[in-house]
Amino acid sequence: TQLLEQSPQFLSIQEGENLTVYCNSSSVFSSLQWYRQEPGEGPVLLVTVVTGGEVKKLKRLTFQFGDARKDSSLHITAAQPGDTGLYLCAAAGNNRKLIWGLGTSLAVNP
Amino acid sequence: DAGVIQSPRHEVTEMGQEVTLRCKPISGHNSLFWYRQTMMRGLELLIYFNNNVPIDDSGMPEDRFSAKMPNASFSTLKIQPSEPRDSAVYFCASLSRESSYNEQFFGPGTRLTVL
Repeated sequence: TQLLEQSPQFLSIQEGENLTVYCNSSSVFSSLQWYRQEPGEGPVLLVTVVTGGEVKKLKRLTFQFGDARKDSSLHITAAQPGDTGLYLCAAAGNNRKLIWGLGTSLAVNP
Repeated sequence: DAGVIQSPRHEVTEMGQEVTLRCKPISGHNSLFWYRQTMMRGLELLIYFNNNVPIDDSGMPEDRFSAKMPNASFSTLKIQPSEPRDSAVYFCASLSRESSYNEQFFGPGTRLTVL
């Protein structure tokens, strides 16, 4: 059973479009992180959200933590080819570990 | 500052051979994690160390896998003997003792192919 469900699994869009990807769980978490993984590289941390309802912005990326701290969304405005990659959400677990989703693979076509 | 360093970046070997993957964490980080990533199963935690001591190895698939961390700046993951189903990308990640939210820093990974 996957504790963090990410959707959609795959997304292919044209440059300039907007998109939203989701990270859902039935569990409550103290914090949640989003990572982006480019082909051939390791995941890189984008943001950590901590407070229920929190919204963080990173240029064209907007991250929101659900009010109940069970889910999160990532919205990208005017997607660019450089946004292509695997977007992973991860929640803080016990003993310094992270619980990972399977990711959303995003392709932005020029 | 140097990030997490892994070597080799690519490894192709034949079934039955021993494989050793290496990792140098970020200086000052006191936790180190070994992951395996596949399309089907995503990122799977194999083992992690805190202050060079293995804390949780419940993700290690079987006795063919072993990991060591002889000092704060070096860790190895060994597979002996290797099998085709071990083919995957293996990542090492490190974590600072000062992190409040378990934010991990990943190396570039080792792509392992077992023929």
